[in-house]
Amino acid sequence: EIVLTQSPGTLSLSPGERATLSCRASQSVRTNYLAWYQQKPGQAPRLLIYGTSSRATGIPDRFSGSGSGTDFTLTITGLEPEDFALYYCQQYDTSPISFGQGTRVDIK
Amino acid sequence: QVQLVQSGTEVRRPGASVKVSCKASGYTFTHDTIHWVRQAPGHRLEWMGWINPANGNTRYSEKFQGRVTFTSDTSANTVSMLLSSLNSDDTATYYCARYNWALDHWGQGTLVTVSS
Repeated sequence: EIVLTQSPGTLSLSPGERATLSCRASQSVRTNYLAWYQQKPGQAPRLLIYGTSSRATGIPDRFSGSGSGTDFTLTITGLEPEDFALYYCQQYDTSPISFGQGTRVDIK
Repeated sequence: QVQLVQSGTEVRRPGASVKVSCKASGYTFTHDTIHWVRQAPGHRLEWMGWINPANGNTRYSEKFQGRVTFTSDTSANTVSMLLSSLNSDDTATYYCARYNWALDHWGQGTLVTVSS
């Protein structure tokens, strides 16, 4: 099973700042099969990025994804108030599909 | 627009079973697999498996193999998840999600509480 480890656990930032979230895999993940989700309290996860760097429908371009192999990054350029939430990475290259433990982006 | 609407909150005793349904609309139901993911309080998302509504083929996470069954009813555009031999560790919100390049649309979640 591929274990995904996200860092940091919590990121405290102000609106307008840049957020950089990391996701490290225990073994290599093909770039087509790495995704990022946003989750707010009481809501289902929302797909942000798939295939490492492709934005899902309706996702603003301040969200971007990059990486390869075992190291992947989600960047939010210019945090908006609605971006303060929990973020998960996911690999769907190898069964079982697995998720990271999440990074919380808090308002500083 | 694509929508997945799940059945409501459930409470069960340890040892019982629970069935959660997920009704799809806004796309061709047989075109995409449906995955099930659960989230226990304070825990990360946990993948349970998938079903192909077109032919009923399934794949289950080894963790749940033998205890979970996914079914599909193409006449009702609905998939269901049956989880048996429940214990307190199964207390969680259960989500269905459509796979289309990734899990691009999710149901609203169904809270299942297991308590004596």
